Amino acid sequence: NAGVTQTPKFRVLKTGQSMTLLCAQDMNHEYMYWYRQDPGMGLRLIHYSVGEGTTAKGEVPDGYNVSRLKKQNFLLGLESAAPSQTSVYFCASSDRDPRTEAFFGQGTRLTVV
Amino acid sequence: AQKITQTQPGMFVQEKEAVTLDCTYDTSDPSYGLFWYKQPSSGEMIFLIYQGSYDQQNATEGRYSLNFQKARKSANLVISASQLGDSAMYFCAIDSNNGGNMLTFGGGTRLMVKP
Repeated sequence: NAGVTQTPKFRVLKTGQSMTLLCAQDMNHEYMYWYRQDPGMGLRLIHYSVGEGTTAKGEVPDGYNVSRLKKQNFLLGLESAAPSQTSVYFCASSDRDPRTEAFFGQGTRLTVV
Repeated sequence: AQKITQTQPGMFVQEKEAVTLDCTYDTSDPSYGLFWYKQPSSGEMIFLIYQGSYDQQNATEGRYSLNFQKARKSANLVISASQLGDSAMYFCAIDSNNGGNMLTFGGGTRLMVKP
């Protein structure tokens, strides 16, 4: 049982380049999330999805887009990367019940130069 | 809006002793949940314990317990009998009980266990 898998694990981008981070979960969870973690800080919610075909903005959505075409996948896109988007990105998924915990992927370390 | 404050950037504890990690929160939601996650140096996020705002009893999970004081808006994590493997970052997070886990995290506390 893989849980939540993120691809890739590491990436270096040049300013202005675009890329897509892929998140896949095999727990049949309704909810999926993208967070970013900057050095020495807690995670901040970028976007989330409450089901297939739905997306919503979190705390820090600017510069990112997301899509949830299939229930098990949640994609995070950067259209024009900026150095301020250098961070570790975490995907997570959870059941609808708010009393149950979210399961996190292993993270993607992104550096924008 | 919700806010989590963790005032201890770093803490030391002697192996086998207990340690308390502080967490205070602010929320306007009448119903909410509080979570603690552990992040070891390898980077993954590991769920430790959950407390619902209307739960009558303080949550416990093995060596982890939550000292929940609703009137003071605090949800401190107590780790008993510390082990070297407990050395990690610890994050407190809050979520409104509206479905799912849209979490707001604190800045974290780095715990270092001394042998």
